[in-house]
Amino acid sequence: NAGVTQTPKFQVLKTGQSMTLQCAQDMNHEYMSWYRQDPGMGLRLIHYSVGAGITDQGEVPNGYNVSRSTTEDFPLRLLSAAPSQTSVYFCASSFSGGDTDTQYFGPGTRLTVL
Amino acid sequence: LAKTTQPISMDSYEGQEVNITCSHNNIATNDYITWYQQFPSQGPRFIIQGYKTKVTNEVASLFIPADRKSSTLSLPRVSLSDTAVYYCLVGRSGAGSYQLTFGKGTKLSVIP
Repeated sequence: NAGVTQTPKFQVLKTGQSMTLQCAQDMNHEYMSWYRQDPGMGLRLIHYSVGAGITDQGEVPNGYNVSRSTTEDFPLRLLSAAPSQTSVYFCASSFSGGDTDTQYFGPGTRLTVL
Repeated sequence: LAKTTQPISMDSYEGQEVNITCSHNNIATNDYITWYQQFPSQGPRFIIQGYKTKVTNEVASLFIPADRKSSTLSLPRVSLSDTAVYYCLVGRSGAGSYQLTFGKGTKLSVIP
């Protein structure tokens, strides 16, 4: 199994540009989520999905959109990039439900918005 | 959501046992306690999880007192490769909900 994969690894955008960060998992996990991590900070939840077709907002959802058309994929869209969105983005997945879920994280995408 | 408080940083010499304590005063009855480890430029990795008393696996032990308002991650005989940030999480996911929150973590530096 490849686990959780993310593309691209690095990206530089100009203010106002849009882009999609890709996330895929091959573990048949129902739960997927996106976090951002700023320097010296912990991870903050952006959006999450508890199954295909179901998404919800996390702590910092503004400026981001998500959709979940398949179990495997959970892309994160930046609608109009802003310098405040410069961060490292992590995607995670976990098995369907249960109180002892373990989250599996991808390697991250480092995004810089100029 | 249960809020957690951890020391910002800790230093330890190689070969010593390291204990990192996390405070979570408003933990709910259904909440579990989970610890993750994060190396620079990598995503967090699961270390250990528990609900009460003591849990041990091949890399760490987790001690949880009866009132569950705190927990202690214990790393036996640390090495340089244990230098990382350690996060304590309290919450649960499942049944259509998602209630996990990462704090700022504890940066552990292991000194030769």
